[in-house]
Amino acid sequence: AQKITQTQPGMFVQEKEAVTLDCTYDTSDQSYGLFWYKQPSSGEMIFLIYQGSYDEQNATEGRYSLNFQKARKSANLVISASQLGDSAMYFCAMREGGDSSYKLIFGSGTRLLVRP
Amino acid sequence: DVKVTQSSRYLVKRTGEKVFLECVQDMDHENMFWYRQDPGLGLRLIYFSYDVKMKEKGDIPEGYSVSREKKERFSLILESASTNQTSMYLCASSADREREKLFFGSGTQLSVL
Repeated sequence: AQKITQTQPGMFVQEKEAVTLDCTYDTSDQSYGLFWYKQPSSGEMIFLIYQGSYDEQNATEGRYSLNFQKARKSANLVISASQLGDSAMYFCAMREGGDSSYKLIFGSGTRLLVRP
Repeated sequence: DVKVTQSSRYLVKRTGEKVFLECVQDMDHENMFWYRQDPGLGLRLIYFSYDVKMKEKGDIPEGYSVSREKKERFSLILESASTNQTSMYLCASSADREREKLFFGSGTQLSVL
């Protein structure tokens, strides 16, 4: 079974609008972490945001917020006020096993295209 | 500015060749990783290292080996390249104090003919 599922292979959004990228995960661990990374056409993966499983508040970093719904096992990324530079691949990832774990498991990604 | 540098952006090799992919980080990070990225599959962990001379298998280590003789350098070795190893290879590093944040290199697109 897939550990991280991103059901949207590609999405469009109009510039200045908000967009939600979906991510669901599967784990039996109590302690885990959820991440979003951005990969522009240059290829370099850029860390965007992190949510720990015990964090009660949704994580936010500037225009990025993570909509964490633990019971539903979802960790959607919300980008507010989209910009043309937001066009990229976006990957959801999970770290199982608590803070001592090194391994990240990645989803298959969502390609976002921002229209002017 | 933090940096993870991969030695080649594009590489073309022949089946059976020994291939070295080099990765250097300048952030004094303890942990280093090699992933491969294939369309529709996301990133899959090949090997990682949490200290010099230490290595751990990831999810898909078959056909690969690694070397970490110095803290800043982590090499991925394909002993005998095969066509199914054609892929984008991404190196990453992280610090123990902030393990959730991985810093990635720009990747090496390897084609095995």
